[in-house]
Amino acid sequence: KAGVTQTPRYLIKTRGQQVTLSCSPISGHRSVSWYQQTPGQGLQFLFEYFSETQRNKGNFPGRFSGRQFSNSRSEMNVSTLELGDSALYLCASSPRNLAGGHYEQYFGPGTRLTVT
Amino acid sequence: QQQVKQSPQSLIVQKGGISIINCAYENTAFDYFPWYQQFPGKGPALLIAIRPDVSEKKEGRFTISFNKSAKQFSLHIMDSQPGDSATYFCAASMRAGNTPLVFGKGTRLSVIA
Repeated sequence: KAGVTQTPRYLIKTRGQQVTLSCSPISGHRSVSWYQQTPGQGLQFLFEYFSETQRNKGNFPGRFSGRQFSNSRSEMNVSTLELGDSALYLCASSPRNLAGGHYEQYFGPGTRLTVT
Repeated sequence: QQQVKQSPQSLIVQKGGISIINCAYENTAFDYFPWYQQFPGKGPALLIAIRPDVSEKKEGRFTISFNKSAKQFSLHIMDSQPGDSATYFCAASMRAGNTPLVFGKGTRLSVIA
């Protein structure tokens, strides 16, 4: 199976702009999670989508949003970019189902966002 | 979010030696503890995971040791190789509520010849 793909891989934006990142999960996976990775804060959970519904949300401001499409592909959007939003944004897909339990997460290579 | 504390921040090990990375958690409801390996320019990859009903799990050169009473778990890399040089993250989650993974801050491992 093909792995998790993320586009674009690199992005440079200016403060105040908005950005949309895309993630295609592993075929058959219905859960997509997004994480922000920075040297100072490490890996921080943004949100998770399952069957087009947000199931969990991390402690990030409302400028960070996401959605999931019927084919499980997901996008995240950051509006009014700030310098502190510069980070590696990682998408992870999982085979989990609504019955719950633990599930392996498979990460994509990430999108490196630089805000100037 | 409940914290997972990871140490050391960086580690240098001779080739053939044992690399040991430790993590401690606070929330006793955590019941799934994976370790991830990340190479530069790549996303984290699941290495090995353990549940608290066992005290140790081994996969090849990688072993997780789990101490439920101390709320600690550790990753041991036996016969460390230069190809093991990467950043390692511990994480934890709990079944209830399908909660997301909480990650430690990471350990940068360098294995030198």
